[in-house]
Amino acid sequence: KAGVTQTPRYLIKTRGQQVTLSCSPISGHRSVSWYQQTPGQGLQFLFEYFSETQRNKGNFPGRFSGRQFSNSRSEMNVSTLELGDSALYLCASSSGLDYTGELFFGEGSRLTVL
Amino acid sequence: AQSVAQPEDQVNVAEGNPLTVKCTYSVSGNPYLFWYVQYPNRGLQFLLKYITGDNLVKGSYGFEAEFNKSQTSFHLKKPSALVSDSALYFCAVRHYNTNAGKSTFGDGTTLTVKP
Repeated sequence: KAGVTQTPRYLIKTRGQQVTLSCSPISGHRSVSWYQQTPGQGLQFLFEYFSETQRNKGNFPGRFSGRQFSNSRSEMNVSTLELGDSALYLCASSSGLDYTGELFFGEGSRLTVL
Repeated sequence: AQSVAQPEDQVNVAEGNPLTVKCTYSVSGNPYLFWYVQYPNRGLQFLLKYITGDNLVKGSYGFEAEFNKSQTSFHLKKPSALVSDSALYFCAVRHYNTNAGKSTFGDGTTLTVKP
């Protein structure tokens, strides 16, 4: 079956702009998590959605937000972009029904803020 | 709070030699432990996990890992390394109760296998 799909794969924005990233999980998966990956900070958890509800949230400012739709697709938005937001944003899906399942990652959206 | 430490930023081994990538964790209660691998410009791929039962778990591509509760470790091993194993490896922990939907990752270890 199809894997996790993230769009766009690459994007360039300037400071102060906003960006929306999209994630389509594996069919049947109801949990979508978002991570920010940077060379200096590693993989940082942003948030997790399950059945359209935010179930967990990491320590990021309110400029970072997300949502999940009824078909489990998820979007994350970053407003008022800063240079430090440049990163690879990874989406991961899982069944979400228990916590023993592994995460299935997309290829990521690489955001560059100029 | 849950946390993961990968004490080595870089591990270098010769092809054909055994490899070990170290991981220690901190979580109250019983952890769920995972290993993932990342190739350049790609997302992470699942290798193996420990949930319960046998402390030695086997995964993809000939990798295995041993759960040691007393040392709170979950080291990744492979008996004979291949050049194609060169990649970035992440250990992750999830607790069944606290922040259960959140996986906490280590900082990653770059494995380089030389011919």
